[in-house]
Amino acid sequence: QSALTQEASVSGTVGQKVTLSCSGNRNNIGSYAVGWYQQISHGAPKTVMLGDSLPSGIPDRFSASKSGTTASLTISGLQPEDEADYYCSTWDYSLSAQVFGGGTKLTVL
Amino acid sequence: EVQLVESGGGLEQPGRSLRLSCTASGFSFGEYAMNWLRQVPGKGLEWVGLIRSNSYGGTTEYAAAVKGRFIMSRDDSKSIAYLQMNSLKTEDTAVYFCTRGREGHGSSPINYWGQGTLVTVSS
Repeated sequence: QSALTQEASVSGTVGQKVTLSCSGNRNNIGSYAVGWYQQISHGAPKTVMLGDSLPSGIPDRFSASKSGTTASLTISGLQPEDEADYYCSTWDYSLSAQVFGGGTKLTVL
Repeated sequence: EVQLVESGGGLEQPGRSLRLSCTASGFSFGEYAMNWLRQVPGKGLEWVGLIRSNSYGGTTEYAAAVKGRFIMSRDDSKSIAYLQMNSLKTEDTAVYFCTRGREGHGSSPINYWGQGTLVTVSS
């Protein structure tokens, strides 16, 4: 059972906008920045969002937001290369641990 | 360019020990907390633990699944983080990733990832 809750799967067509969600509580998402990570074909994950900051080299069709204890990753103008597993994580001060969601499998139709 | 390179993975028997290394380059290693994560093939990411920078006392935090068996350390002079894994169990079989956040406490999201090293625990 993951500390953060993500959709198991999301799909979209090329060019569409999709939003992935990550739900937690006030001890984690409610208090700390959330990271989003892309993992393609079980290779090494890559960070696509740090809080609301876009790491260098990540296309600006990726954006993130947070409201209360739920964070969201939005991909505008979905591309075939965006098909991957996406994970969210943040710090949990009650657990003194970095907690993760179970991951969302994004399929580009 | 920030690089994190893990080494030391391999096949080990249950109950034995293994030490992983994470060699860092491209940044001031001593200023940052270092996290270890793992991933069982086909499953999700699992946080293993972290070691804070010396500015935060170099303290460690561990996931419940490894607490008391795994020990993290660091050598800032060599820019290397270590994960000493003792009393290995078959459920420790996973790809282990070395990662770095944005500060020394370890409470920021992960910014950089190594390529991972596979640890297989089997008799």
